Amino acid sequence: GEDVEQSLFLSVREGDSSVINCTYTDSSSTYLYWYKQEPGAGLQLLTYIFSNMDMKQDQRLTVLLNKKDKHLSLRIADTQTGDSAIYFCAERGGSSNTGKLIFGQGTTLQVKP
Amino acid sequence: DAGVIQSPRHEVTEMGQEVTLRCKPISGHDYLFWYRQTMMRGLELLIYFNNNVPIDDSGMPEDRFSAKMPNASFSTLKIQPSEPRDSAVYFCASTSGESTEAFFGQGTRLTVV
Repeated sequence: GEDVEQSLFLSVREGDSSVINCTYTDSSSTYLYWYKQEPGAGLQLLTYIFSNMDMKQDQRLTVLLNKKDKHLSLRIADTQTGDSAIYFCAERGGSSNTGKLIFGQGTTLQVKP
Repeated sequence: DAGVIQSPRHEVTEMGQEVTLRCKPISGHDYLFWYRQTMMRGLELLIYFNNNVPIDDSGMPEDRFSAKMPNASFSTLKIQPSEPRDSAVYFCASTSGESTEAFFGQGTRLTVV
């Protein structure tokens, strides 16, 4: 079945770049997402990439997709303390249904001043 | 639109009691998802609906859990009887087949004592 995996924790210094990695198993996924969750809040969509793309840039965020290896990454340039949160990778579509979203376990990003 | 609305935001109940969580999706969205978030298991998909019909309930942990969607603007997740291990944050999300984004509610934090 579908599975999405992420490393659980990342710590960086303010001003450095952060790279959060994700792997997925369903090669027929249509969209891949990055969501952000701040403490006590719901999930907020940060960015997404369509499966026929290999890169997407949106201000400080860069998403790289290696479809062959089923690997997705999120790079945050000039990481700020306000970026401290849990980041979830998710896939949608695939062989089961276009609506179903499967999430990874989430990566906790800690930004040290 | 006010977004996905969940109620209550917090619920504390005693073991054995029935708990009902409520969700109002965004108007026009035809997919609705129920997720459970815990420290140990991350974000788990419990069940999702398309056009008010349950499509996949394989994530529902036990028969004590049930979900309904009587119309396009309302869904419930019921736990009867509740147990301490059901303590978690429960999220509802909605999307449409044409949309690239799933929108999440603020979640219901359930504590069963």
